[in-house]
Amino acid sequence: QSVLTQPPSVSAAPGQKVTISCSGSSSNIGNNYLSWYQQLPGTAPKLLIYENNKRPSGIPDRFSGSKSGTSATLGITGLQTGDEADYYCGTWDSSLSAGVFGTGTKVTVL
Amino acid sequence: QVQLVESGGGVVQPGTSLRLSCTASGFTLSSNGMHWVRQAPGKGLDWVAVISYDGSNKYYADSVKGRFTISRDTSQNTLYLQMNSLRAEDTAVYYCARFAGHTWDYWGQGTLVTVSS
Repeated sequence: QSVLTQPPSVSAAPGQKVTISCSGSSSNIGNNYLSWYQQLPGTAPKLLIYENNKRPSGIPDRFSGSKSGTSATLGITGLQTGDEADYYCGTWDSSLSAGVFGTGTKVTVL
Repeated sequence: QVQLVESGGGVVQPGTSLRLSCTASGFTLSSNGMHWVRQAPGKGLDWVAVISYDGSNKYYADSVKGRFTISRDTSQNTLYLQMNSLRAEDTAVYYCARFAGHTWDYWGQGTLVTVSS
């Protein structure tokens, strides 16, 4: 079962903004860096955000990340049809000595 | 460039074994921790196991502890996941992923394991 909690789905019109929350605890988000992943249908997860708010090269600045305490947020601005995908947060849990992922959020562009 | 290629998936009966491989290129396994993550059909990401960069530490999800073993062959730059006593609930696409810094930065394309009688 997933340790990190995300909303099942979010949606918005093209060009609009969506935010996805990720809630955890002190043993994971609270004391470790958080990453965000985009998974397009039928493909492997792709790194979008690492160390809470950094973007790998090639990831547009429409994607942003933030963290506060035991929660984190992914923001997507200027929504495009190509952004329709599942999004996951993930980090290490120091108490479990295990990787943990969020429940996943499906983004729909209306 | 970094590339991870999984292989070894297939259809197996409950109670049997299977070994997955993940061949890495563009970096050496001895430089990074390596993880296995799985995804059941229509479900979310589920962390399975990790081996540290020097091979000295291995950790497993409770659901696979005692049944799965993660290992590597640095001479072949290949990561393995030995899966024993397979159950229907182990059916999933299995991904290997490189851990760099504090994140899983590169993922393979995945290999499908189906456990069914």
